[in-house]
Amino acid sequence: AQSVTQLDSQVPVFEEAPVELRCNYSSSVSVYLFWYVQYPNQGLQLLLKYLSGSTLVKGINGFEAEFNKSQTSFHLRKPSVHISDTAEYFCAVSYTGFQKLVFGTGTRLLVSP
Amino acid sequence: GAVVSQHPSWVICKSGTSVKIECRSLDFQATTMFWYRQFPKQSLMLMATSNEGSKATYEQGVEKDKFLINHASLTLSTLTVTSAHPEDSSFYICSPREGAAETQYFGPGTRLLVL
Repeated sequence: AQSVTQLDSQVPVFEEAPVELRCNYSSSVSVYLFWYVQYPNQGLQLLLKYLSGSTLVKGINGFEAEFNKSQTSFHLRKPSVHISDTAEYFCAVSYTGFQKLVFGTGTRLLVSP
Repeated sequence: GAVVSQHPSWVICKSGTSVKIECRSLDFQATTMFWYRQFPKQSLMLMATSNEGSKATYEQGVEKDKFLINHASLTLSTLTVTSAHPEDSSFYICSPREGAAETQYFGPGTRLLVL
């Protein structure tokens, strides 16, 4: 079955510290990978996506993610977080081309001063 | 990025009433529309997928007669929760996609509370 795993339900960090949010997916021949951010009571905003090409993908707000096919992972990283990065982050995978997305359970990033 | 609006942003209704949620893609044509629901502190669960002018395809466990989806135009889709009950209280999010584009955009969501 197609599945996306975000092992960390919550990640607390201090401001200006680096952070990594983990995402693993069930293996498939071809996948497209996405990270979305959700602020309270809002919809989802696309942070970055991997479709093909370079495995290191840079997104908005200083975030980047690396596609690792052998590890079936797509971890999200930021070298220095801000208070404003506090939000829910969702990893999503499209297993059948650009068809429906399968979402992970989300990781709440809590940035403290 | 693409602009997607949802109306209303929140609604409170009595049990047994029906509620209609509108989703509009303001600057692109949504040939495909996905509707999701999200319970507190949980992920998004796909409810149904619709293509403009066609009947929606519902995910397993989603009652098509309870959650009516209309996608009559390329810029508007509606989700009607019929005879709503407290267990239908949730955050409903639409997600339109243009053609074969690889990216889905998301509406701001509608919070439904059924008393």
